[in-house]
Amino acid sequence: QVQLQESGPGLVKPSETLSLTCAVSGYSISSGFYWGWIRQPPGKGLEWIGSIYHSGSTYYNPSLKSRVTISVDTSKNQFSLKLSSVTAADTAVYYCARLAQVPYYYFDYWGQGTLVTVSS
Amino acid sequence: EIVLTQSPGTLSLSPGERATLSCRASQSISSSYLAWYQQKPGQAPRLLIYGASSRATGIPDRFSGSGSGTDFTLTISRLEPEDFAVYYCQQYGSSLPYSFGQGTKLEIK
Repeated sequence: QVQLQESGPGLVKPSETLSLTCAVSGYSISSGFYWGWIRQPPGKGLEWIGSIYHSGSTYYNPSLKSRVTISVDTSKNQFSLKLSSVTAADTAVYYCARLAQVPYYYFDYWGQGTLVTVSS
Repeated sequence: EIVLTQSPGTLSLSPGERATLSCRASQSISSSYLAWYQQKPGQAPRLLIYGASSRATGIPDRFSGSGSGTDFTLTISRLEPEDFAVYYCQQYGSSLPYSFGQGTKLEIK
């Protein structure tokens, strides 16, 4: 059973960097699949942030690309998100998920999500 | 960038009824690139359908997906009380790899 668990600060100050980690259990990141981050502002829809392969290959949402870094640590079986220069608009529930690719493209396993509030 | 538009925004039905949810893409997309999710309050989205019509593991057969090109449909043949939730479609594209529709809220009438 694949499980993902997000962790990180629930409150970040404006202009600072949001940092989250997703710990994966029940599956080795090194075995394959892409892994991604998706966010959901309170009461709103879903927005894909970016994805990473175990090799470290990444791709990001163009609207966030200048502020986003996703990295992977295969030794700890986890991957991480950094979002810089945050504003109130970055307040959201952040989900990590496993991403199936080729020939189908979908997120099959999700973490429970963690709420990050940007406020001074 | 492909935009997904879901309709209706809110659908009010009773248990036992049939639900038909629409997802329209601004450009034609491969059926392989279309997925559907269910989200209940306080929970992460749950994969229902991938490849436009393939049910994910453990999803009841009352859920079915169909469509091609720009028009896709999620059908729930006979609504159970636990089916009332928000539903999102998601597509894979080249300029914006992953995007979601704005959601359809399925509420109890």
